Amino acid sequence: EAGVTQFPSHSVIEKGQTVTLRCDPISGHDNLYWYRRVMGKEIKFLLHFVKESKQDESGMPNNRFLAERTGGTYSTLKVQPAELEDSGVYFCASSRGEEQFFGPGTRLTVL
Amino acid sequence: AQSVSQHNHHVILSEAASLELGCNYSYGGTVNLFWYVQYPGQHLQLLLKYFSGDPLVKGIKGFEAEFIKSKFSFNLRKPSVQWSDTAEYFCAVIPYSSASKIIFGSGTRLSIRP
Repeated sequence: EAGVTQFPSHSVIEKGQTVTLRCDPISGHDNLYWYRRVMGKEIKFLLHFVKESKQDESGMPNNRFLAERTGGTYSTLKVQPAELEDSGVYFCASSRGEEQFFGPGTRLTVL
Repeated sequence: AQSVSQHNHHVILSEAASLELGCNYSYGGTVNLFWYVQYPGQHLQLLLKYFSGDPLVKGIKGFEAEFIKSKFSFNLRKPSVQWSDTAEYFCAVIPYSSASKIIFGSGTRLSIRP
């Protein structure tokens, strides 16, 4: 069974540009989560999808961040326009039950 | 503020030493507790979890953790570490009130000297 995959693994962009991160969950997992770790601090929850619906988006930092999960399969997280403080590692996780399985993360660097 | 605290940012041990990583949380209600580990270059993976029952839980690779409700603690232990245990360890909580949102501690980087 393939694990959670994320693309790209690294992204370097300039302030003001747009970046789109993608997450492919484990097949059959209805729950999909996005988390972020900034500057070696704690990993923080961003949002939770159940199928294509946003169950909880309380962790989204501001309206520059837009997450979608069309069709309830893969998800994208778009940052537009990117700011310096958006740099960090963005993790995706998926679950069918209680255990969340994490992807390798996308390291985003905003210059 | 509600949070998860890990006491050590970086721990350095020699092989065969005993390990204890501290974790305290500040949520007052029922919680599910976890330790995750991230080996160099690998995904975050679940080491062990506590939902209910025996407060001493066993995980993979010889790790265990003890839930002490009165102290709001969930410390991770291993009697004898190996070089391959070099990794970053995260204590985490899911409060019942937050559905399935994981609240992570800041992580403890463990370095094992061969």
